[in-house]
Amino acid sequence: QIQLVQSGGEVKKPGASVKVSCKASGYSFTNYGITWVRQAPGQGLEWVGWISADNGNTRYAQKFQDRVVMTTDTSTSTAFMELRSLRSDDTAVYYCARGRGIGVVPAACLDNWGQGTLVTVSS
Amino acid sequence: DIVMTQSPDSLAVSLGERATINCRSSQSVLKNSNNNNYLAWYQQKPGQPPKLLIYWASTRESGVPVRFSGSGSGTDFTLTISSLQAEDVAVYYCQQYYIAPFTFGPGTKVDIK
Repeated sequence: QIQLVQSGGEVKKPGASVKVSCKASGYSFTNYGITWVRQAPGQGLEWVGWISADNGNTRYAQKFQDRVVMTTDTSTSTAFMELRSLRSDDTAVYYCARGRGIGVVPAACLDNWGQGTLVTVSS
Repeated sequence: DIVMTQSPDSLAVSLGERATINCRSSQSVLKNSNNNNYLAWYQQKPGQPPKLLIYWASTRESGVPVRFSGSGSGTDFTLTISSLQAEDVAVYYCQQYYIAPFTFGPGTKVDIK
C-alpha cells in the first residue's frame, strides 16, 4: 500500500533551520510530485510548496520563497523540506502529501499524506 | 492569491440527517480547456492528517463512502453528507489547486447534534 513516512518531531531555536524527510513507498516515486502543507496548532491548512519527484522542479508559496528548499533523493524515494531562519510562528505540523494531477504538475489533489512532523520553534 | 471561504464555520447534525458545507473561491477554478474544476475536499479527524474525499469538485476518491458527494462549478461548491454517521465527525476543508499557491478554506467543523 502507498505510504509516506515522515521524520520525527523537532525542537529548534529561532533563527535555526530544520529539515524534514518524507519516505515514500508502494508506488513509483518519480511518477508523482510531493506537496508540503503545514498546520499551526489549532489552525487550518497552509500550502507551502511542491516538488516534482521526476525532475526536481519546484514551486513555492511566495511567503516561503526565500526560506524554503525542497529536494528529493530518488535512490531512496525520499523527499525533503528544509525551512531556514525559523520563527516562532513557524511552529506547526508539517505534512508531505502525494500529488495526483494531470501529469507531474503542482496543480494536483493530495491523495496520500504522511503522518505529519511537529516542528516547534522556541527559545 | 485565490481566497477560499467556507460556510458555516461549524454545524451540528443529527445522526442520519444531511450535512451541507459550502465553499466559495474568490475567482473561478474552472479550467475551460479541459472543463475541470480544480477543487478538492478533505476530511481531517483530530490527531490525523487530512484525507482526500472529493477531487475535480465532484469525483469521489476510491474507498470513500457514497454518502459523500461534491457539486458546483466555477466559484461555488458544496460538499454533502447525505446521512451523517458518527465517524463523520471531523473538520472538512476545501482546496483549490488551480492557481498557486493552492489555498485551502478555513475549515468547517461537523458534530453530532
